[in-house]
Amino acid sequence: DGGITQSPKYLFRKEGQNVTLSCEQNLNHDAMYWYRQDPGQGLRLIYYSQIVNDFQKGDIAEGYSVSREKKESFPLTVTSAQKNPTAFYLCATQGGANTEAFFGQGTRLTVV
Amino acid sequence: GENVEQHPSTLSVQEGDSAVIKCTYSDSASNYFPWYKQELGKRPQLIIDIRSNVGEKKDQRIAVTLNKTAKHFSLHITETQPEDSAVYFCAASGYSTLTFGKGTMLLVSP
Repeated sequence: DGGITQSPKYLFRKEGQNVTLSCEQNLNHDAMYWYRQDPGQGLRLIYYSQIVNDFQKGDIAEGYSVSREKKESFPLTVTSAQKNPTAFYLCATQGGANTEAFFGQGTRLTVV
Repeated sequence: GENVEQHPSTLSVQEGDSAVIKCTYSDSASNYFPWYKQELGKRPQLIIDIRSNVGEKKDQRIAVTLNKTAKHFSLHITETQPEDSAVYFCAASGYSTLTFGKGTMLLVSP
């Protein structure tokens, strides 16, 4: 199913909790990305990684953290410092610069 | 960094009409311009892309045009069908990360 798997599909978080969203790919792509999608806001870049053990902040990194210990995996942690975490989160990969980005099916996070 | 503006935010057409979505970008170094379609509740998927060495590209009912001098590019859908209803995103990049527009919700009425 596209080679990118995000889990879970739906996630509920209580105030003050950290939660981790999973993203796994079997496309052998070096680059991986996390986007946040809010209604009317498009796709905003949170973090990205071009290679294992290295990652860069995107436009809205505050309150989020990532790791890239394996090429296949790029988990995103939404920390309690993120004041408005309710959103749809999309993970994506690219096989090279200026090539097609492939997206996972997304995780919808809701704070309760 | 790059800034991508997309218009309109919503577009309603009758089945069989044409639809045009326009984007502008700010970074003259950008040289890759993809368009993604996102159906309700699903992941975005690439429908067409264009590189800066090309002015126009067509794929059946879909075409994209690029004007590098004016820094704008457009998506054209002809003979629209109800299944074209979705949110469309443009994006731009120059050997770095993709910057997306805010999206256009296209509604095609039968």
